[in-house]
Amino acid sequence: GAGVSQSPRYKVTKRGQDVTLRCDPISSHATLYWYQQALGQGPEFLTYFNYEAQPDKSGLPSDRFSAERPEGSISTLTIQRTEQRDSAMYRCASSLSGGVQETQYFGPGTRLLVL
Amino acid sequence: QQQVKQSPQSLIVQKGGISIINCAYENTAFDYFPWYQQFPGKGPALLIAIRPDVSEKKEGRFTISFNKSAKQFSLHIMDSQPGDSATYFCAASMSGTYKYIFGTGTRLKVLA
Repeated sequence: GAGVSQSPRYKVTKRGQDVTLRCDPISSHATLYWYQQALGQGPEFLTYFNYEAQPDKSGLPSDRFSAERPEGSISTLTIQRTEQRDSAMYRCASSLSGGVQETQYFGPGTRLLVL
Repeated sequence: QQQVKQSPQSLIVQKGGISIINCAYENTAFDYFPWYQQFPGKGPALLIAIRPDVSEKKEGRFTISFNKSAKQFSLHIMDSQPGDSATYFCAASMSGTYKYIFGTGTRLKVLA
């Protein structure tokens, strides 16, 4: 695609519900990243994929957070039993092959509000 | 050790002026320092980046100055324009990892 797309753009949910966010990276990009961005803060790394492999989950805040990229393209981030502190912007980014100096292209984000 | 500290939090500059945003880091293993520009409702987009083997990199009106001994780097926007009004994030990364450590962002407003 022309750029990284994310859906939904906004999600309001009640505490305790599960939510799934979707990221569609730039086609042919091998590497996909998930970040969490609190209001007034910079993005914080959650996890990344190299094709289907998920080498680093170190940023996931708890075991309620999980991510998948089963076919090496679209990825989903699932938050189970949401809590109010999960409210944030969730951003996805992709890069061609994941080298540290490669540009990461960010999507517009999904703003999650947990009531 | 993993933090990148960014200042100021917000900045107002007259059109034609110079905007300066500063970042500092602790981890000397960082070896790549990108700056991202973010407009409202959009994702961050790469503006300019530098490696620590150079002290300065210039692209158009945007310049990164890098001070390895002080572990600081800064973004200078010359001849600032109202269209430069955005939030700017510095970041740092190191070889062998894939994640960026972002600063907290600077909201720049350039007055017409």
